[in-house]
Amino acid sequence: DAGVTQSPTHLIKTRGQQVTLRCSPISGHKSVSWYQQVLGQGPQFIFQYYEKEERGRGNFPDRFSARQFPNYSSELNVNALLLGDSALYLCASRLSSYEQYFGPGTRLTVT
Amino acid sequence: GIQVEQSPPDLILQEGANSTLRCNFSDSVNNLQWFHQNPWGQLINLFYIPSGTKQNGRLSATTVATERYSLLYISSSQTTDSGVYFCAAEDGKTSYDKVIFGPGTSLSVIP
Repeated sequence: DAGVTQSPTHLIKTRGQQVTLRCSPISGHKSVSWYQQVLGQGPQFIFQYYEKEERGRGNFPDRFSARQFPNYSSELNVNALLLGDSALYLCASRLSSYEQYFGPGTRLTVT
Repeated sequence: GIQVEQSPPDLILQEGANSTLRCNFSDSVNNLQWFHQNPWGQLINLFYIPSGTKQNGRLSATTVATERYSLLYISSSQTTDSGVYFCAAEDGKTSYDKVIFGPGTSLSVIP
């Protein structure tokens, strides 16, 4: 079975632009979560979606938004990019309340 | 919300040595996972261990939920064990799957 996939792998954007990151969960997993990992730190929780509904949100500004589609894939959108948004963005999926499985991440650089 | 601490922050080992990594969490958790992050950023699942002890080859983990800590043991370390080890705890007092990562332990195994 395929693991969690994310696209694109790398992305370079300019301050003020908008970006969309994509995630496909493991087949059968209905829960998708997004994390931001800044260099040298642990991942920080951004959102959790389950059955297309937002279930939880971390301490991130409204510039960050997400959605989940009927096939359980998900998109993370970030508007008005700042230099501080440069990070590795990780997506994770899980079956019910068991262990999470992470994708390879999207490395975003904002210049 | 819960706080997750890890120690030591950095560890250098000679190949073949054993080590113990510790994870402390400040409140009750629904579950706990250990991950190894490789140099490319991929988080690799090591253990899903809300309580008790598990072993997988040279690695083992123990979680004592009542005392709010978890330990990861690495025996006969190899250079391929190098990387950052994270523990991640799911907050037991939220209605959604809010997972908090510790700051990580950076392990370097030298030949």
